[in-house]
Amino acid sequence: DVKVTQSSRYLVKRTGEKVFLECVQDMDHENMFWYRQDPGLGLRLIYFSYDVKMKEKGDIPEGYSVSREKKERFSLILESASTNQTSMYLCAIGGQNYGYTFGSGTRLTVV
Amino acid sequence: QKEVEQNSGPLSVPEGAIASLNCTYSDRVSQSFFWYRQYSGKSPELIMSIYSNGDKEDGRFTAQLNKASQYVSLLIRDSQPSDSATYLCAVDSGYSTLTFGKGTMLLVSP
Repeated sequence: DVKVTQSSRYLVKRTGEKVFLECVQDMDHENMFWYRQDPGLGLRLIYFSYDVKMKEKGDIPEGYSVSREKKERFSLILESASTNQTSMYLCAIGGQNYGYTFGSGTRLTVV
Repeated sequence: QKEVEQNSGPLSVPEGAIASLNCTYSDRVSQSFFWYRQYSGKSPELIMSIYSNGDKEDGRFTAQLNKASQYVSLLIRDSQPSDSATYLCAVDSGYSTLTFGKGTMLLVSP
């Protein structure tokens, strides 16, 4: 079974903190994605990556950055957390040929 | 902006009935279509994929695709209370990315 592991299930951070969300996969897959999910807004793509050291902006990249130093790990960085970044963050691997496998998600609260 | 539209629901059906979930999409060149199930507080889980016009069946689930009408549907036969969840439609939007609808909540009553 494909495994996509997100390091934290719940996080509470203060406004202005730098926040790292980690995602690790065990499938040697090229494509990795970060989405956020909010009630009424659905899933929105933040950033994605095709390979090591490659990154592409999604639909809502503002306030975020990413890092992919190793193929199995894709990190989402909130440079200076704000309350409007309170959300469920979902990491996924896959692509248009076979869909995505999601991690279990990180529910981030910024206070 | 590519769009995927779903009725938010809730769609309420009695146990044993057929649940019909619908989705329309805006990008005519989309080639891959997916249905995900998401239980409350959990991450989405892939249940069906479809790539060509017509029907695709997998157990109690049937996906239907009509590219000319830009329409995808999911039928769930013999609905069970355990099918109660939010169902997300997803459509490929280039560069291996998917665009998701906001989901339809399905409630199956015993």
